[in-house]
Amino acid sequence: DTGVSQNPRHKITKRGQNVTFRCDPISEHNRLYWYRQTLGQGPEFLTYFQNEAQLEKSRLLSDRFSAERPKGSFSTLEIQRTEQGDSAMYLCASSLRSGPPYEQYFGPGTRLTVT
Amino acid sequence: GENVEQHPSTLSVQEGDSAVIKCTYSDSASNYFPWYKQELGKGPQLIIDIRSNVGEKKDQRIAVTLNKTAKHFSLHITETQPEDSAVYFCAASIGSGSYGGSQGNLIFGKGTKLSVKP
Repeated sequence: DTGVSQNPRHKITKRGQNVTFRCDPISEHNRLYWYRQTLGQGPEFLTYFQNEAQLEKSRLLSDRFSAERPKGSFSTLEIQRTEQGDSAMYLCASSLRSGPPYEQYFGPGTRLTVT
Repeated sequence: GENVEQHPSTLSVQEGDSAVIKCTYSDSASNYFPWYKQELGKGPQLIIDIRSNVGEKKDQRIAVTLNKTAKHFSLHITETQPEDSAVYFCAASIGSGSYGGSQGNLIFGKGTKLSVKP
């Protein structure tokens, strides 16, 4: 499978615990995006990387959230001290363009449930 | 900031009929408008896109039109089939540094749940 992959697909955690998600983009895609999607809504942008540099963060990304993309390949999104409001689908997308606009291809997502 | 409105929120059609979904955007700097199809439990799948220098684009049974003056774009699906049933999202990409940071991050509408009845 040459698409975007995400792990785990589902995560149930108790409030206050830390969780980490992983995204593997399409090979050679240099841009990687994280979005969050709640029930009945469209995806909302969280942050994106060009290679290993994190170039933009949304106001939605509180200080409990941190994302990394070491070596410009896979990325991780960590949520510390989870809250019930963090329950959502976390989507990763990747793209490869030499200039804007960028076609983004999404992974299957990680569904987080905070109890 | 940028806002994308999508209508209708639900759409039910008979197999073989056409379906039209409409979106409007607020930021005139937007220059890229993709459409995604999302099936239950899956991530969004890019089905077609249009750039601001083009007024219409077709791909088999799917077409998208863009009216930059009115700031709206539409998805047209002809000869609908039951497998077209899904949630469809429109999106806009902010091209020039206003809301959200500008480097291609997408602003999505709230989605249209399309049901195609056999």
